[in-house]
Amino acid sequence: QSALTQPRSVSGSPGQSVTISCTGTSSDVGAYDFISWYQLRPGKAPKFMIYDVNRRPSGVPDRFSGSKSGNTASLTISGLQAEDEADYYCCSYAGSPIFGGGTKLTVL
Amino acid sequence: QVQLVQSGSELKEPGASVTISCKASGYAFNNYPMNWVRQAPGQGLEWMGWINTNTGNPTLAQGFTGRFVFSVDTSVSTAYLHINSLKADDTALYYCAREGELLHYFDYWGQGTLVTVSS
Repeated sequence: QSALTQPRSVSGSPGQSVTISCTGTSSDVGAYDFISWYQLRPGKAPKFMIYDVNRRPSGVPDRFSGSKSGNTASLTISGLQAEDEADYYCCSYAGSPIFGGGTKLTVL
Repeated sequence: QVQLVQSGSELKEPGASVTISCKASGYAFNNYPMNWVRQAPGQGLEWMGWINTNTGNPTLAQGFTGRFVFSVDTSVSTAYLHINSLKADDTALYYCAREGELLHYFDYWGQGTLVTVSS
């Protein structure tokens, strides 16, 4: 299995919205609604942000939303805040978990 | 609250072995599978496999069979990752991650353990 494809980097100014894509195939992203997203910041434990495509765990702000169309899942962060600057990884399921390559979000 | 606390960084020579621990607290350890995820320097996350914390039965992903061993000690709510015959390209940050109740996602993660393999 190859890693899911994410843009290496995205950026936005505070208050703006950004969307991070996660492209797989009809065997993984397209086949299952088991899409999750994780936020990684240096020196911190990864944080679970989205599961089952668009469900938010308690405690995750509603500025974070997920969606999926065909073989591409997306994470949208609206009302960007400085604290959102991090690496974001998608994860799909294809018999076993498969991660994306990660996207570095820079808040300008 | 749920916490996964991993053991500290390790510096090992090639050929040595290492054991990383992941101590869980704040929940019933036996009720949730534990996964292991690797992040090599400058690379993305890679799922290594999981262990059934109730039975101790491990499932390792392709590429991690042979030198990688998962185990648990339920008496201390701790999962372990043991790596034998370390190679330079085992240098990575290793995370434990609890699988969520509805499966197919990881709801709590350890802080990561950096293993550096160098002579």
